Amino acid sequence: ETGVTQSPTHLIKTRGQQVTLRCSSQSGHNTVSWYQQALGQGPQFIFQYYREEENGRGNFPPRFSGLQFPNYSSELNVNALELDDSALYLCASSLSLANTGELFFGEGSRLTVL
Amino acid sequence: RKEVEQDPGPFNVPEGATVAFNCTYSNSASQSFFWYRQDCRKEPKLLMSVYSSGNEDGRFTAQLNRASQYISLLIRDSKLSDSATYLCVVILNTGNQFYFGTGTSLTVIP
Repeated sequence: ETGVTQSPTHLIKTRGQQVTLRCSSQSGHNTVSWYQQALGQGPQFIFQYYREEENGRGNFPPRFSGLQFPNYSSELNVNALELDDSALYLCASSLSLANTGELFFGEGSRLTVL
Repeated sequence: RKEVEQDPGPFNVPEGATVAFNCTYSNSASQSFFWYRQDCRKEPKLLMSVYSSGNEDGRFTAQLNRASQYISLLIRDSKLSDSATYLCVVILNTGNQFYFGTGTSLTVIP
């Protein structure tokens, strides 16, 4: 059973640029959520995808968008990057929408915006 | 107001000590509660669920007080390997959004 994998692990962008982060969910999991974790803070919910459709969104502007593919992998896209977007972006997969409480996180993509 | 509030610490305790972390949540519609652990520069992992009746897993005990909207985690006989950040997590009864606290940092000192 493969775990959640994310790419890239680290990247540096400049203000105004766009970024795409990728996530492969754990085998058998059809639900993927994305979180932003700023330094010294807990993860903040961005959105969730279930069977290729957005199924909930946190308090993030529309320049944060996502996709889920038929194989349940997912992308997070951020347009018009701002300095405050610098953070660790975590992808988490879970088995269906059942809230057993266990999210399986990837190791994250650390984004630095200069 | 944040959904979940935690004392960020840091807590520095000697090996063998007992340490308790507290967490409050603001929304009475919260239905599920958890503690996650996050090691330095690693991803969060589920430590344990929290039930109204209280639950224990080895040296770890979690408690929920719905009336006070309060969650706690007690660690007995602290080990060096317990050093990590402990995140309080709440899910509302509307379903799918996990609300994480800022985390409480624990360092167990030899």
